[in-house]
Amino acid sequence: DTAVSQTPKYLVTQMGNDKSIKCEQNLGHDTMYWYKQDSKKFLKIMFSYNNKELIINETVPNRFSPKSPDKAHLNLHINSLELGDSAVYFCASGTSSNEQFFGPGTRLTVL
Amino acid sequence: GENVEQHPSTLSVQEGDSAVIKCTYSDSASNYFPWYKQELGKRPQLIIDIRSNVGEKKDQRIAVTLNKTAKHFSLHITETQPEDSAVYFCAASPYGQNFVFGPGTRLSVLP
Repeated sequence: DTAVSQTPKYLVTQMGNDKSIKCEQNLGHDTMYWYKQDSKKFLKIMFSYNNKELIINETVPNRFSPKSPDKAHLNLHINSLELGDSAVYFCASGTSSNEQFFGPGTRLTVL
Repeated sequence: GENVEQHPSTLSVQEGDSAVIKCTYSDSASNYFPWYKQELGKRPQLIIDIRSNVGEKKDQRIAVTLNKTAKHFSLHITETQPEDSAVYFCAASPYGQNFVFGPGTRLSVLP
């Protein structure tokens, strides 16, 4: 009964590659998010999606693109990976009253 | 935009003592203030939240207070236990907008 799930849990790849991280929620929430947590544990919002429309897009490089095939999924595509992209990426889903619930995270390591 | 500061960055307490973590925010439009607990290698988990129409909220050993005039809010944990050891994040959000997280407080409860 995992509420917010992500795959893969770990992702190790070479610089310059393109990769995707998948996220699914079964909570029926309308809004989903992607966060980046760096090595110092800072949590920063990257994207949020509401009903398949991007409603807030923070200043992240355009190598990162969220894709939402339906309300329950928000995938993150990253092109031309760089060393600085190494981090833990968390997906989250949110209620209409602003509570957010996080997925288990994907640890991305770029070599 | 919103800016959230959090203090202290690390906190060690003896088991059974109380712990207090304080956050300040800058945007007077913020009206939702959640607290998340993140154990090592795990996802951030919502432990308590407060909205701007409330000054204090309690849930068993955890309480949060909010001073809107001074733009600060605090997390209070009483009768701390070793399993309370984790990184705690505060966040501030205008309704329907992105969370801005504080930098986190690493709490260690010593047996």
